Amino acid sequence: ETGVTQTPRHLVMGMTNKKSLKCEQHLGHNAMYWYKQSAKKPLELMFVYSLEERVENNSVPSRFSPECPNSSHLFLHLHTLQPEDSALYLCASSQDYPTGNTIYFGEGSWLTVV
Amino acid sequence: GENVEQHPSTLSVQEGDSAVIKCTYSDSASNYFPWYKQELGKRPQLIIDIRSNVGEKKDQRIAVTLNKTAKHFSLHITETQPEDSAVYFCAARGYSGYALNFGKGTSLLVTP
Repeated sequence: ETGVTQTPRHLVMGMTNKKSLKCEQHLGHNAMYWYKQSAKKPLELMFVYSLEERVENNSVPSRFSPECPNSSHLFLHLHTLQPEDSALYLCASSQDYPTGNTIYFGEGSWLTVV
Repeated sequence: GENVEQHPSTLSVQEGDSAVIKCTYSDSASNYFPWYKQELGKRPQLIIDIRSNVGEKKDQRIAVTLNKTAKHFSLHITETQPEDSAVYFCAARGYSGYALNFGKGTSLLVTP
């Protein structure tokens, strides 16, 4: 199943680095999401894009910057992160936000901040 | 936004027994309640969902019940098998248009 693909799968970065996570969905959906998964908060919504416009932003620190250039691609730009930002970052997509149905997750990008 | 509480956080059953996981939600206008299964190192995957106009839904060994009055819904797994071992997440989506909000997960262990 390759509906939602994420790269890289693993990333180690220093606190002063700038990196990006990439997500691509092949399902023809029109909404995409970033979730953060950690031991403290298992599935925490970060951002939602519908038809390439950001519709939700759950008080995420500005060191996380999303970008959605088209309905198939979603990025999460990372800069000056903190060790507590180490987590699994899951991308997801769905059709017809907000009344649509299932959201489909990618395999995630494991981020370690050192 | 929606607040979803999930219990228990861990559950251990013997193979063949039933497992029940319960969730409550806060937004009475919530209308969609999916359940996701996440195996170790893998993505969460939808296993069953229910909408607010239905009280119960079943798919083979898995069933979900919804009590709108009490604002809770439950996942029932019968005849559990070791491959059912995983973390299960409930979720709810409010009518106001928020994306899915998830419970904290239940780690289910099925021992042979």
